Amino acid sequence: AQSVAQPEDQVNVAEGNPLTVKCTYSVSGNPYLFWYVQYPNRGLQFLLKYITGDNLVKGSYGFEAEFNKSQTSFHLKKPSALVSDSALYFCAVRDPSDMRFGAGTRLTVKP
Amino acid sequence: EAQVTQNPRYLITVTGKKLTVTCSQNMNHEYMSWYRQDPGLGLRQIYYSMNVEVTDKGDVPEGYKVSRKEKRNFPLILESPSPNQTSLYFCASSLGGTVFNYGYTFGSGTRLTVV
Repeated sequence: AQSVAQPEDQVNVAEGNPLTVKCTYSVSGNPYLFWYVQYPNRGLQFLLKYITGDNLVKGSYGFEAEFNKSQTSFHLKKPSALVSDSALYFCAVRDPSDMRFGAGTRLTVKP
Repeated sequence: EAQVTQNPRYLITVTGKKLTVTCSQNMNHEYMSWYRQDPGLGLRQIYYSMNVEVTDKGDVPEGYKVSRKEKRNFPLILESPSPNQTSLYFCASSLGGTVFNYGYTFGSGTRLTVV
C-alpha cells in the first residue's frame, strides 16, 4: 500500500530563513506526491504535486518541493519563510481509491 | 467560484441522535470522499465515491453511511453517533477518480462534538 511519513511534528524557523518540511514515501510503482497546507479553521489547500519530470517542483506561495527517488523523499522547501506561512502541512500520496496523508507537520515561523 | 461546500461548520449533538453532514461540489467532479482529522493521526478516509451510485469503504467506515444519488452531493450520515466520532470532518472532490495526477479540493470542514 502507498504511504507517506512526516518525521517531524513541529518545525520552527525564523522569518527570512529557509524552511524545510520533510516527507518520505513508500509506494509500489510510480509515485504521485502532493503537498497541502491547512490554515486555522480552514480546509486543506493544494500547494504542489509531483507526477513525473523535473525533480524540483514549484508550487503556490513560493513553495517548492524536491523529489528524490534514491532517498524516497519529497521535502517541501521555501527559500525565505514568512510569518504567514505558519500552518499545518500535509504530505500525501495518491493511490487508486484515496489520497493517503501523513500525520502533518506544524510549521511556526517566528518574527 | 469552484468550491466544495459543507454544512454545518459546527455541530454539537448527543449520543444516538442521527445526523447528516452535507457536502456539495459545483465542479462536476466524479470523485468525492469523506475524511476525519484527529490530532496526530492526520486525515483518515471514511468513505469514497468514484461516481454516482458508486461508493466504497475507506479506512474507518464503522458508524458512518454515505450515499451518492447525484454527482454534486455526497452526504455523510451518522445513524447513532458516539463520543468517539467527535472529530473534524472534511469532504473532498476530484476530477476523475481513476486519474492519479489530480489533486483534491476540500471543503472548509465540520467540527462535530458528540456528548
